[in-house]
Amino acid sequence: DAGVTQSPTHLIKTRGQQVTLRCSPKSGHDTVSWYQQALGQGPQFIFQYYEEEERQRGNFPDRFSGHQFPNYSSELNVNALLLGDSALYLCASRTWGMPNYGYTFGSGTRLTVV
Amino acid sequence: ELKVEQNPLFLSMQEGKNYTIYCNYSTTSDRLYWYRQDPGKSLESLFVLLSNGAVKQEGRLMASLDTKARLSTLHITAAVHDLSATYFCAVVHTGNQFYFGTGTSLTVIP
Repeated sequence: DAGVTQSPTHLIKTRGQQVTLRCSPKSGHDTVSWYQQALGQGPQFIFQYYEEEERQRGNFPDRFSGHQFPNYSSELNVNALLLGDSALYLCASRTWGMPNYGYTFGSGTRLTVV
Repeated sequence: ELKVEQNPLFLSMQEGKNYTIYCNYSTTSDRLYWYRQDPGKSLESLFVLLSNGAVKQEGRLMASLDTKARLSTLHITAAVHDLSATYFCAVVHTGNQFYFGTGTSLTVIP
């Protein structure tokens, strides 16, 4: 049973560029959340998707956008990259109707902006 | 905004010793999660605490929740090297949004 799958695992981009990160949720899960984890910090909530709609959003600028597809997979897009966007981006999934079970996290995408 | 604080931030302990990590949060919540993260890896779920007074144990780790004090503890008994990792607590607030603590980096020394 595959868990949460993220791609790519590592990425290097230049300031001002745009990036797309991808996530496939765990089988049976329909809700996807994205987190940014800077070095030495705890993960920070970016947004959550369910039924192809953004349901909640953390304190991140509009440069961060996302999408959820009918198969529940999701993308995170970041435009006009800044050096400060360098971080580990984690995707997490769960079943919408079972919030108490918490999230299953993917291994993350390490984004470096130079 | 909900704030979650952990202490200590860094913990170095000898094998065989006991220690407790504390997680304080600023706003009412009745759900708290503990995760483990190894360097360069993702988050592994350890415990789900769903009510006041909840206590969960797995091996050398035991977690508890006091919602009135807004405090959770993660107790380590007779530490072994394999427990070296960073431990995060996460508190659930509105809309099932997770707020993570600052993390506690644990190193167990032989």
